[in-house]
Amino acid sequence: DSGVTQTPKHLITATGQRVTLRCSPRSGDLSVYWYQQSLDQGLQFLIQYYNGEERAKGNILERFSAQQFPDLHSELNLSSLELGDSALYFCASSATLAGTYEQYFGPGTRLTVT
Amino acid sequence: GESVGLHLPTLSVQEGDNSIINCAYSNSASDYFIWYKQESGKGPQFIIDIRSNMDKRQGQRVTVLLNKTVKHLSLQIAATQPGDSAVYFCAEGNAGNMLTFGGGTRLMVKP
Repeated sequence: DSGVTQTPKHLITATGQRVTLRCSPRSGDLSVYWYQQSLDQGLQFLIQYYNGEERAKGNILERFSAQQFPDLHSELNLSSLELGDSALYFCASSATLAGTYEQYFGPGTRLTVT
Repeated sequence: GESVGLHLPTLSVQEGDNSIINCAYSNSASDYFIWYKQESGKGPQFIIDIRSNMDKRQGQRVTVLLNKTVKHLSLQIAATQPGDSAVYFCAEGNAGNMLTFGGGTRLMVKP
């Protein structure tokens, strides 16, 4: 158990809908990262937050957004969903911004768009 | 609950043999490398890391080798066990604590 929790574990929704994925980092970790894992693309970095502020953006679509709250939990919002958004979405956390690369991953949310 | 689907390279080894999983990385400025293990239905799990000023690091049954000249990383697993069956990812660390992941290799251990 990494100490990172994600909810829900599974989510099935229809095209055009909006969903919110939730992540709680390890106790004390200030950085949260979101990744998308689909069949043919491995782990794709989406976005990073550090202590409530956005720090880095990767291959995140404009239809997707995220935020990190004062209690450090984070939410990833996916809107106008398309079939191609079906994937595993992972959250990871790490201790500090600089000098520490190890990220601890949650169990993921499996999103199925029908 | 598979982690990644049918397009991964696969390494099949006999239980008890040693396994070597290879990874080519892209950024010569990367100063940190990690190997992750992802079992079916779970998130990636840290195995071992190495900094760019080292060429070898050993853990419990695992060894990571780094060849910066050819930008190559390998993970050696000694006496491979059925519980080692998983997808293995290398990741390179860059400025700002960013990790860039490789495509992954599926390890299958035959009893």
